Amino acid sequence: DAGITQSPRHKVTETGTPVTLRCHQTENHRYMYWYRQDPGHGLRLIHYSYGVKDTDKGEVSDGYSVSRSKTEDFLLTLESATSSQTSVYFCAISGRGNQPQHFGDGTRLSIL
Amino acid sequence: GQQLNQSPQSMFIQEGEDVSMNCTSSSIFNTWLWYKQDPGEGPVLLIALYKAGELTSNGRLTAQFGITRKDSFLNISASIPSDVGIYFCAGQGEGGGSNYKLTFGKGTLLTVNP
Repeated sequence: DAGITQSPRHKVTETGTPVTLRCHQTENHRYMYWYRQDPGHGLRLIHYSYGVKDTDKGEVSDGYSVSRSKTEDFLLTLESATSSQTSVYFCAISGRGNQPQHFGDGTRLSIL
Repeated sequence: GQQLNQSPQSMFIQEGEDVSMNCTSSSIFNTWLWYKQDPGEGPVLLIALYKAGELTSNGRLTAQFGITRKDSFLNISASIPSDVGIYFCAGQGEGGGSNYKLTFGKGTLLTVNP
């Protein structure tokens, strides 16, 4: 298994609160990604990183920000959570941009 | 954006049967990937395909990269109960620079009756 740890695994919070999800990898991979998975939509890319301090937006980036201050950690922040951000969030990593991505086990986030 | 059509959406089969699922796209991809997801877990890579026409096996699984580069299929032979799960295809474009985004199909839910 790829060495990817997502935390927390489950979280319930209220609308309007800030939320930060963490992805930690032990593979020293350059690329890291955040996806959300929703019924009927499959996996959609939120943001990705191609190196320390290098990030870019995916297809559903509104309402989310990311930071990557070191190779092993990629943080996803919801500045003011909304109910539409209730989802399962997956982190993925790859050594190079054109290599297959490997996924963590996800964080189930519920926003009430 | 790019769209992947994955079919069927779901399948209910008997143990021992063979299974086939496929993905088609309106765009050309340079790489096709097949993942399996079990409940409560993340997708796990099954097979990666890098060349048009390529046929690759992984145990009872066989996948092919379509000649047109717009489609791929996955076959599972002699299904067993642990094959149950959701299977996703994903296509990756040429990208360039920092842009190698994956486009995912919506998944095929496979149920195997023992």
